[in-house]
Amino acid sequence: KAGVTQTPRYLIKTRGQQVTLSCSPISGHRSVSWYQQTPGQGLQFLFEYFSETQRNKGNFPGRFSGRQFSNSRSEMNVSTLELGDSALYLCASSANGGGRGNTEAFFGQGTRLTVV
Amino acid sequence: KQEVTQIPAALSVPEGENLVLNCSFTDSAIYNLQWFRQDPGKGLTSLLLIQSSQREQTSGRLNASLDKSSGRSTLYIAASQPGDSATYLCAVMGQNFVFGPGTRLSVLP
Repeated sequence: KAGVTQTPRYLIKTRGQQVTLSCSPISGHRSVSWYQQTPGQGLQFLFEYFSETQRNKGNFPGRFSGRQFSNSRSEMNVSTLELGDSALYLCASSANGGGRGNTEAFFGQGTRLTVV
Repeated sequence: KQEVTQIPAALSVPEGENLVLNCSFTDSAIYNLQWFRQDPGKGLTSLLLIQSSQREQTSGRLNASLDKSSGRSTLYIAASQPGDSATYLCAVMGQNFVFGPGTRLSVLP
Protein backbone atom coordinates (compact mmCIF):
# COMPACT_ATOMS: atom_id res chain seq x y z
CA LYS A 1 0.00 0.00 0.00
CA ALA A 2 1.60 3.25 -1.14
CA GLY A 3 2.19 5.95 1.46
CA VAL A 4 1.61 9.66 1.30
CA THR A 5 3.52 11.25 -1.55
CA GLN A 6 4.56 14.87 -1.58
CA THR A 7 6.16 16.61 -4.52
CA PRO A 8 8.52 18.22 -5.00
CA ARG A 9 10.81 17.34 -2.12
CA TYR A 10 12.80 20.55 -2.35
CA LEU A 11 12.08 24.00 -3.74
CA ILE A 12 14.01 27.24 -3.86
CA LYS A 13 12.01 30.34 -4.71
CA THR A 14 12.58 34.08 -4.71
CA ARG A 15 10.62 36.53 -2.59
CA GLY A 16 7.45 37.64 -4.33
CA GLN A 17 7.07 34.47 -6.38
CA GLN A 18 4.35 31.91 -5.86
CA VAL A 19 4.65 28.18 -5.34
CA THR A 20 2.43 25.11 -5.59
CA LEU A 21 3.00 21.97 -3.54
CA SER A 22 1.29 18.65 -4.17
CA CYS A 23 0.17 15.85 -1.90
CA SER A 24 -1.22 12.46 -2.92
CA PRO A 25 -2.88 10.71 0.03
CA ILE A 26 -3.13 7.02 0.75
CA SER A 27 -5.63 5.34 -1.53
CA GLY A 28 -9.10 5.51 -0.01
CA HIS A 29 -8.32 8.39 2.32
CA ARG A 30 -10.49 11.42 1.81
CA SER A 31 -8.92 13.84 4.25
CA VAL A 32 -5.75 15.77 3.53
CA SER A 33 -4.34 18.26 6.01
CA TRP A 34 -1.39 20.59 5.61
CA TYR A 35 1.08 21.67 8.26
CA GLN A 36 3.99 24.08 8.32
CA GLN A 37 7.06 23.21 10.37
CA THR A 38 9.65 25.82 11.32
CA PRO A 39 12.34 25.75 14.02
CA GLY A 40 10.75 28.67 15.84
CA GLN A 41 7.05 27.77 15.68
CA GLY A 42 7.12 24.01 15.42
CA LEU A 43 4.29 22.29 13.57
CA GLN A 44 1.31 24.50 12.81
CA PHE A 45 -1.95 23.58 11.13
CA LEU A 46 -2.69 25.26 7.80
CA PHE A 47 -5.94 23.71 6.55
CA GLU A 48 -7.81 20.48 5.97
CA TYR A 49 -9.65 19.30 2.90
CA PHE A 50 -12.21 16.54 2.89
CA SER A 51 -14.04 15.39 -0.23
CA GLU A 52 -12.92 18.48 -2.16
CA THR A 53 -14.13 20.92 0.52
CA GLN A 54 -12.06 22.93 2.93
CA ARG A 55 -13.32 21.80 6.30
CA ASN A 56 -11.02 23.59 8.67
CA LYS A 57 -8.48 26.39 8.48
CA GLY A 58 -5.64 27.50 10.70
CA ASN A 59 -4.43 30.99 11.46
CA PHE A 60 -2.45 31.77 8.35
CA PRO A 61 -2.80 34.71 5.94
CA GLY A 62 -4.81 34.46 2.76
CA ARG A 63 -1.61 34.03 0.74
CA PHE A 64 -1.85 30.38 1.76
CA SER A 65 -4.54 28.51 -0.10
CA GLY A 66 -5.30 25.01 -1.19
CA ARG A 67 -7.62 22.76 -3.03
CA GLN A 68 -8.49 19.12 -3.33
CA PHE A 69 -9.37 17.19 -6.44
CA SER A 70 -11.91 14.42 -6.95
CA ASN A 71 -9.17 11.78 -6.58
CA SER A 72 -8.33 13.29 -3.13
CA ARG A 73 -4.99 14.68 -4.27
CA SER A 74 -4.42 18.09 -2.80
CA GLU A 75 -2.39 21.12 -3.73
CA MET A 76 -1.26 23.99 -1.56
CA ASN A 77 -0.40 27.35 -3.03
CA VAL A 78 1.54 30.18 -1.46
CA SER A 79 1.51 33.50 -3.27
CA THR A 80 3.81 36.50 -2.84
CA LEU A 81 6.41 34.47 -0.98
CA GLU A 82 8.15 35.97 2.01
CA LEU A 83 11.42 34.90 3.65
CA GLY A 84 9.44 33.71 6.65
CA ASP A 85 7.61 31.18 4.50
CA SER A 86 10.77 29.07 4.39
CA ALA A 87 9.76 25.85 6.10
CA LEU A 88 9.08 22.16 5.81
CA TYR A 89 5.51 21.69 4.57
CA LEU A 90 3.93 18.41 5.55
CA CYS A 91 0.67 16.88 4.51
CA ALA A 92 -1.27 14.29 6.43
CA SER A 93 -3.65 11.71 5.04
CA SER A 94 -6.42 10.03 6.96
CA ALA A 95 -9.69 8.31 6.29
CA ASN A 96 -11.88 10.79 8.12
CA GLY A 97 -9.68 13.58 9.36
CA GLY A 98 -10.13 15.94 12.24
CA GLY A 99 -13.36 16.13 14.16
CA ARG A 100 -14.46 12.80 12.80
CA GLY A 101 -13.16 10.51 15.48
CA ASN A 102 -10.52 7.99 15.83
CA THR A 103 -8.62 7.52 12.61
CA GLU A 104 -4.87 7.35 12.29
CA ALA A 105 -3.06 10.04 10.31
CA PHE A 106 -0.09 9.34 8.08
CA PHE A 107 2.35 11.99 6.98
CA GLY A 108 4.37 12.45 3.83
CA GLN A 109 8.08 13.21 3.72
CA GLY A 110 7.40 16.89 3.24
CA THR A 111 8.44 19.61 0.85
CA ARG A 112 11.34 21.77 1.98
CA LEU A 113 10.69 25.29 0.73
CA THR A 114 13.48 27.85 0.84
CA VAL A 115 12.67 31.46 -0.02
CA VAL A 116 15.65 33.64 -0.91
CA LYS B 1 -7.11 27.04 22.76
CA GLN B 2 -5.36 23.69 23.01
CA GLU B 3 -1.75 23.80 24.13
CA VAL B 4 0.58 20.83 24.17
CA THR B 5 3.86 20.61 26.04
CA GLN B 6 6.49 17.89 26.14
CA ILE B 7 9.05 17.11 28.78
CA PRO B 8 11.97 16.76 28.59
CA ALA B 9 12.97 18.86 25.59
CA ALA B 10 16.04 16.69 25.07
CA LEU B 11 17.26 13.43 26.48
CA SER B 12 20.51 11.51 26.07
CA VAL B 13 20.73 7.96 27.36
CA PRO B 14 23.05 4.96 26.97
CA GLU B 15 21.85 2.06 24.87
CA GLY B 16 19.65 -0.44 26.69
CA GLU B 17 17.95 1.98 29.07
CA ASN B 18 14.20 2.18 29.49
CA LEU B 19 12.86 5.71 29.19
CA VAL B 20 9.70 7.76 29.47
CA LEU B 21 8.67 10.75 27.42
CA ASN B 22 5.91 13.01 28.72
CA CYS B 23 3.19 14.96 26.95
CA SER B 24 0.64 17.30 28.54
CA PHE B 25 -2.34 19.04 27.00
CA THR B 26 -4.72 21.67 28.33
CA ASP B 27 -8.06 20.70 26.79
CA SER B 28 -9.31 17.19 27.49
CA ALA B 29 -11.90 17.34 24.69
CA ILE B 30 -9.85 15.35 22.21
CA TYR B 31 -10.71 12.58 19.77
CA ASN B 32 -7.37 10.84 20.00
CA LEU B 33 -3.66 11.30 20.67
CA GLN B 34 -0.95 10.15 18.34
CA TRP B 35 2.78 9.77 18.90
CA PHE B 36 5.17 10.33 16.01
CA ARG B 37 8.89 10.19 15.45
CA GLN B 38 10.72 12.51 13.13
CA ASP B 39 14.22 11.97 11.82
CA PRO B 40 16.19 15.08 10.81
CA GLY B 41 14.80 16.68 7.68
CA LYS B 42 12.20 13.97 7.23
CA GLY B 43 8.47 13.59 7.62
CA LEU B 44 6.60 12.13 10.56
CA THR B 45 6.34 8.42 11.20
CA SER B 46 3.31 7.30 13.17
CA LEU B 47 4.22 5.25 16.23
CA LEU B 48 1.02 4.81 18.21
CA LEU B 49 -2.55 6.05 18.10
CA ILE B 50 -4.53 6.14 21.34
CA GLN B 51 -8.22 6.72 20.95
CA SER B 52 -9.97 8.93 23.47
CA SER B 53 -11.73 5.93 25.02
CA GLN B 54 -8.50 3.98 25.48
CA ARG B 55 -5.98 4.06 28.30
CA GLU B 56 -2.95 2.64 26.52
CA GLN B 57 -1.53 1.15 23.35
CA THR B 58 1.47 -1.06 22.75
CA SER B 59 3.61 -1.75 19.72
CA GLY B 60 6.78 -3.75 20.15
CA ARG B 61 9.07 -1.92 22.58
CA LEU B 62 6.75 1.09 22.71
CA ASN B 63 3.89 1.64 25.12
CA ALA B 64 1.82 4.79 25.28
CA SER B 65 -0.71 5.72 27.91
CA LEU B 66 -3.41 8.35 27.98
CA ASP B 67 -5.11 10.01 30.94
CA LYS B 68 -7.61 12.43 29.44
CA SER B 69 -8.87 13.73 32.76
CA SER B 70 -5.43 14.95 33.77
CA GLY B 71 -4.39 15.90 30.25
CA ARG B 72 -1.36 13.62 30.14
CA SER B 73 0.20 10.98 27.97
CA THR B 74 3.43 9.09 28.32
CA LEU B 75 5.48 7.19 25.79
CA TYR B 76 7.54 4.38 27.27
CA ILE B 77 10.45 3.00 25.24
CA ALA B 78 11.94 -0.23 26.49
CA ALA B 79 15.53 -1.33 25.91
CA SER B 80 16.46 1.74 23.88
CA GLN B 81 18.67 1.37 20.79
CA PRO B 82 20.77 3.87 18.81
CA GLY B 83 18.20 3.58 16.01
CA ASP B 84 15.64 5.11 18.34
CA SER B 85 17.48 8.44 18.15
CA ALA B 86 15.03 10.96 16.73
CA THR B 87 12.61 13.66 17.78
CA TYR B 88 9.40 12.35 19.31
CA LEU B 89 6.25 14.38 18.90
CA CYS B 90 2.89 13.99 20.50
CA ALA B 91 -0.18 15.39 18.79
CA VAL B 92 -3.72 15.69 20.10
CA MET B 93 -6.59 15.60 17.66
CA GLY B 94 -9.60 17.87 18.01
CA GLN B 95 -10.71 19.54 14.79
CA ASN B 96 -7.07 19.26 13.74
CA PHE B 97 -3.78 18.12 15.22
CA VAL B 98 -2.09 20.31 17.78
CA PHE B 99 1.52 19.27 18.21
CA GLY B 100 3.87 19.50 21.10
CA PRO B 101 7.37 20.88 20.56
CA GLY B 102 8.93 17.43 20.70
CA THR B 103 11.54 15.58 22.71
CA ARG B 104 14.91 15.11 21.04
CA LEU B 105 16.22 11.69 21.99
CA SER B 106 19.80 10.52 21.59
CA VAL B 107 20.64 6.92 22.40
CA LEU B 108 24.37 6.41 22.71
CA PRO B 109 26.02 3.10 21.71
